[in-house]
Amino acid sequence: GDSVTQMEGPVTLSEEAFLTINCTYTATGYPSLFWYVQYPGEGLQLLLKATKADDKGSNKGFEATYRKETTSFHLEKGSVQVSDSAVYFCASGGTSYGKLTFGQGTILTVHP
Amino acid sequence: NAGVTQTPKFQVLKTGQSMTLQCAQDMNHEYMSWYRQDPGMGLRLIHYSVGAGITDQGEVPNGYNVSRSTTEDFPLRLLSAAPSQTSVYFCASSYVGQGNAEAFFGQGTRLTVV
Repeated sequence: GDSVTQMEGPVTLSEEAFLTINCTYTATGYPSLFWYVQYPGEGLQLLLKATKADDKGSNKGFEATYRKETTSFHLEKGSVQVSDSAVYFCASGGTSYGKLTFGQGTILTVHP
Repeated sequence: NAGVTQTPKFQVLKTGQSMTLQCAQDMNHEYMSWYRQDPGMGLRLIHYSVGAGITDQGEVPNGYNVSRSTTEDFPLRLLSAAPSQTSVYFCASSYVGQGNAEAFFGQGTRLTVV
């Protein structure tokens, strides 16, 4: 079955540091790929997505590129802020309908 | 603009009790699903539905029942709560037939079974 693997966490950074959270996937076919973010006490919300190979999703300074050759969708941000502290989930989208397979989540803490 | 609404937000149950977690969406989405979130395990799919009257099991369905009598509502029932069901539960909805469709999540229900 489909699976998504995220880098081990938690991740702790200082403000303005560079962020990378690794994500790799296994799937039959060509899934869509997503990054969701969960702020404390809230539900998940979509951060960005990519629907085909070489697509780059971007939002709020975050970026991720769909790499079919390495089956990866790593999340990056050039300069993190304290307000980026949250849990980040990588997910692959079902090819038939809206079924998602999630990674285990990465806790990001950004210090001033 | 309600989106996906879950109730209650918090619940404590005794082992063996039953309860229903409510989920409603106002976006006319055909696809709805329930996930549980446990530390270090991400979100795991419990049950899902592709439309009114149609439900199917996800990755961890044991101990849970669902029904879908309307497009808007997708309740999750715990028949006999167990401590292993202590978790945070999320309901989500999206369009059917679009593998790249965004899933909208509710705020979650934090359930503790003692």
